[in-house]
Amino acid sequence: SQELEQSPQSLIVQEGKNLTINCTSSKTLYGLYWYKQKYGEGLIFLMMLQKGGEEKSHEKITAKLDEKKQQSSLHITASQPSHAGIYLCGALTTSGTYKYIFGTGTRLKVLA
Amino acid sequence: EAGVAQSPRYKIIEKRQSVAFWCNPISGHATLYWYQQILGQGPKLLIQFQNNGVVDDSQLPKDRFSAERLKGVDSTLKIQPAKLEDSAVYLCASSSLSLNEQFFGPGTRLTVL
Repeated sequence: SQELEQSPQSLIVQEGKNLTINCTSSKTLYGLYWYKQKYGEGLIFLMMLQKGGEEKSHEKITAKLDEKKQQSSLHITASQPSHAGIYLCGALTTSGTYKYIFGTGTRLKVLA
Repeated sequence: EAGVAQSPRYKIIEKRQSVAFWCNPISGHATLYWYQQILGQGPKLLIQFQNNGVVDDSQLPKDRFSAERLKGVDSTLKIQPAKLEDSAVYLCASSSLSLNEQFFGPGTRLTVL
């Protein structure tokens, strides 16, 4: 079973439009990480959220973690073709020991 | 600052053959991770090292996969013998502390025929 659910699985938007990607867990997360991956390449770290209610922004990307630390959203404002890629959420969970898990990713395409 | 280095970038082998991947983490990073990413899925942690000790290898198929980090710096991941279902991208990542963000290498794309 997938411990981190991402939605949507894929997204096609027109350049300039805003979009949101969600990441949900049934367990409390001890750290939530957002990464971007281009096809066939490694993951590029975007942001890390640790506190309930935390929000971080970098350029046109904003990430939030809910108060219960079970859900996060990634919002892109005024999307550009350079935002295209696969967005992955990763998280630190614990069942006795800390463990890293990842969502299945959201494939974003931005039409010029 | 140099990033995480991995080699080779691509490898094609036949089933039942052996293969090894190499990773050099960011200088000073004590924690090193190996992930397997099958097409269309998120990365799955195979093994986590803290310096040269194994922290978590619960998802490593130990009958065919092995990994080592003898001097606490670079690491190798080996598959022997390979199966068709091992076709994936193998990602190496490192972090300064086990709870900090991870920095990923470019990955090695393995195709098993």
